[in-house]
This record gives sequence, C-alpha cells and structure tokens, in this order.
Amino acid sequence: AQSVAQPEDQVNVAEGNPLTVKCTYSVSGNPYLFWYVQYPNRGLQFLLKYITGDNLVKGSYGFEAEFNKSQTSFHLKKPSALVSDSALYFCAVRVINQAGTALIFGKGTTLSVSS
Amino acid sequence: DADVTQTPRNRITKTGKRIMLECSQTKGHDRMYWYRQDPGLGLRLIYYSFDVKDINKGEISDGYSVSRQAQAKFSLSLESAIPNQTALYFCATSANRGASSYNEQFFGPGTRLTVL
Repeated sequence: AQSVAQPEDQVNVAEGNPLTVKCTYSVSGNPYLFWYVQYPNRGLQFLLKYITGDNLVKGSYGFEAEFNKSQTSFHLKKPSALVSDSALYFCAVRVINQAGTALIFGKGTTLSVSS
Repeated sequence: DADVTQTPRNRITKTGKRIMLECSQTKGHDRMYWYRQDPGLGLRLIYYSFDVKDINKGEISDGYSVSRQAQAKFSLSLESAIPNQTALYFCATSANRGASSYNEQFFGPGTRLTVL
C-alpha cells in the first residue's frame, strides 16, 4: 500500500540548534514528495518538493529536505531553528490512482522551538 | 493562500442537520480537493475533482457529497451531520499537468465544524 509516515508526533529543539523532522514513504514508481507547514488557525503552506534531480532540495524560510532513495526517506531540515518555526509540519507523497493523481499526507509532526 | 477562500470559517450545528461548506478559488486551477483534518490523523481526502464534470471519491467519502458548480467553486455537503464529523475541513486546488506548480496544492484557511 502506498503511504507516508512521520514517526515523531513532536520534535523539540532550542533556538539556534539544527532541526530535523522525519518522513518515510512507500510508493509505487518514482516518488514525488512534498513538505507543508501549518501555522495555528491557518491553512497548509507549501514548503518544498522533490520531483527529480538533486537529492537536496531547498525551500521556503531556510528549510531544506534530503531525498534518500535507499532509505525511502525525505527528512526536513534547517541548520538553525527559529522560535517562529514552531508549527505543524506535514510530509506528503503523490500517488497515482484510477482518476489521476492525489496526495497522501502523513499525520503531522509538531515542531516546538524554545528560546 | 488568499486565492482560495472558504465559507463559513466556523460553524456549530446539531446532529441531523444538513450543512454545506463552500470553497472558491481565483487561481484558475482545474483541480480541487476537500480534506478533513483530525488531531493525530493528519489530512484525509474526502473528494476531489479534476474538472467541472469530474468528481472522485477519496479515502473517506461516506457521509459526504460534493458539487462542482463551476471551475472556481467546489462545495462539500453533509446531508445529515453526526458528531464524528466534527473536524477542520480544508479545500485545496492544484494546476493541471504542464504548469510549473503541477503537483503542488494550495490550501484555503479551513472551516472548523462542530456537530453537537
């Protein structure tokens, strides 16, 4: 079955420290992978995506993600966390079904950055 | 994303009532989606539409119906609301194949629905 997993419900880091939010996937064919962020009382905002090419993808707000095909992972990273990065983060994978394509989202990881 | 709007933003209703949630977009996208978000469960796809004449069931379509009135409008209905449909509902849009943003989805601000 095609799926995406975020193994951590919550990640806590201190401001200025590097952060990693983990994501693994299971999909048929080449994976199209995405990260979205949700701030309180807001909709989801696109951060970055991997379609093909360089395994290190750079996105908005200084975030980047590393695609690792052998480990079927797409972890989100940032070298130096900010308190304003505190939010709910979702990993998603594109799947192909009878109607076309759709996204499957992970359950989300809450990132808490302390000052 | 301000180009995707949802009404109402909050709604409290009673069991058995019919509810309609509306979504409008000015992005010119053909593809529209409805999701519900529950704590610890992430986003789950309810219905999606790739053009005005196309409607597809998602992962959790039971108890819901949709209407694609125009390219820019996609409504979600709960014919007889029940308490376990209490959730945060999101509408999203995406561009067709060939667009630079193909595969990205753009989300509305959400509708918080409470069914008592």
